[in-house]
Amino acid sequence: AQSVAQPEDQVNVAEGNPLTVKCTYSVSGNPYLFWYVQYPNRGLQFLLKYITGDNLVKGSYGFEAEFNKSQTSFHLKKPSALVSDSALYFCAVRVLVNAGNNRKLIWGLGTSLAVNP
Amino acid sequence: EADIYQTPRYLVIGTGKKITLECSQTMGHDKMYWYQQDPGMELHLIHYSYGVNSTEKGDLSSESTVSRIRTEHFPLTLESARPSHTSQYLCASRGRAKNIQYFGAGTRLSVL
Repeated sequence: AQSVAQPEDQVNVAEGNPLTVKCTYSVSGNPYLFWYVQYPNRGLQFLLKYITGDNLVKGSYGFEAEFNKSQTSFHLKKPSALVSDSALYFCAVRVLVNAGNNRKLIWGLGTSLAVNP
Repeated sequence: EADIYQTPRYLVIGTGKKITLECSQTMGHDKMYWYQQDPGMELHLIHYSYGVNSTEKGDLSSESTVSRIRTEHFPLTLESARPSHTSQYLCASRGRAKNIQYFGAGTRLSVL
């Protein structure tokens, strides 16, 4: 079965330190990969995506993610965390629904990031 | 910020009431989606639409129904609300050019 895993429920980092939020996937074919962020009482916001090309993708708010095909991972990173980065982060993979051209997103369970001052 | 709006933001209602959650987008997107999300949990796709008069059920079985009479409007209806329907409902849309779903702020529903 196709799946997305975010192995950490919560990540705690000190402000100014680098952060990593992990995502691994198990899908057939070449996936499209996404990161979304959800701030408290807000809807989800798109951060970045990987479709093809350079394995290192840069996105909003200074975030970046590295696609690693051999490890089937797409970890989210930021060199220097801010307290305002504290939020819920979701990894998603776009997969084929059936033999047709319909696609859908499979979502990870989310990782709560807490950046401490 | 994308132009997709959900109303109401919060709704507290009694069991058995009929409710409609509104979702509108002004981007002309063909594809629209409804997700259900319990606090701090993953998103579950409950309905989607690829255009006017097109609606499909998603991965998670839901007693809600949707309609897509106009491109910009994708309301979700519960004929008889129950406490098990208490959750957050997120609406999203996606255009043809970009592989990005844009989300509304969500409706937090509490059924007493």
